[in-house]
Amino acid sequence: DQQVKQNSPSLSVQEGRISILNCDYTNSMFDYFLWYKKYPAEGPTFLISISSIKDKNEDGRFTVFLNKSAKHLSLHIVPSQPGDSAVYFCAWAGGTSYGKLTFGQGTILTVHP
Amino acid sequence: DADVTQTPRNRITKTGKRIMLECSQTKGHDRMYWYRQDPGLGLRLIYYSFDVKDINKGEISDGYSVSRQAQAKFSLSLESAIPNQTALYFCATAGSEETQYFGPGTRLLVL
Repeated sequence: DQQVKQNSPSLSVQEGRISILNCDYTNSMFDYFLWYKKYPAEGPTFLISISSIKDKNEDGRFTVFLNKSAKHLSLHIVPSQPGDSAVYFCAWAGGTSYGKLTFGQGTILTVHP
Repeated sequence: DADVTQTPRNRITKTGKRIMLECSQTKGHDRMYWYRQDPGLGLRLIYYSFDVKDINKGEISDGYSVSRQAQAKFSLSLESAIPNQTALYFCATAGSEETQYFGPGTRLLVL
């Protein structure tokens, strides 16, 4: 089974600097990865995604990088803003798990003014 | 109005009680999901449904049941609640793509 791991429970950065959130996965196959952001008392909201046929996808301040040889995914936020403070989840979709997402444990990002 | 709604938003119940969490969506999606979130464990899939006649167990279905009453409605039941079912519960929907859209969640406390 595919495993998705976010090994950093928390990350603290200064406003204006770069935030880098990391995610590792175990199995390589045709994949699709997503990042979700979650504020307290709200449901997760979709942020950005990437297909395994790409190495990079960019949307405004958010860029996701996929390193297939290392089985590693990262989300870069530049510049970070206090409103970015939230829990970030990476998720995997693919293989025989059509229509299902496997989530990482989440990373709490705090951006200080 | 929100596309995915959940009721109730908060619930306190006692061990052994039956409880139902409800989810409605106006997105017209065929696929619906129930997840629970526990600290440090991310979101784990309880049940999912790809259409009204389709129900599938997820990763942690024991102690739960679901009903897909219509395309827009998917309810989750705890037949006999126990304290380790205390968690945040999220409903989600999806169309033809992989992106899922989540409701605001239900915070459940089982005493």
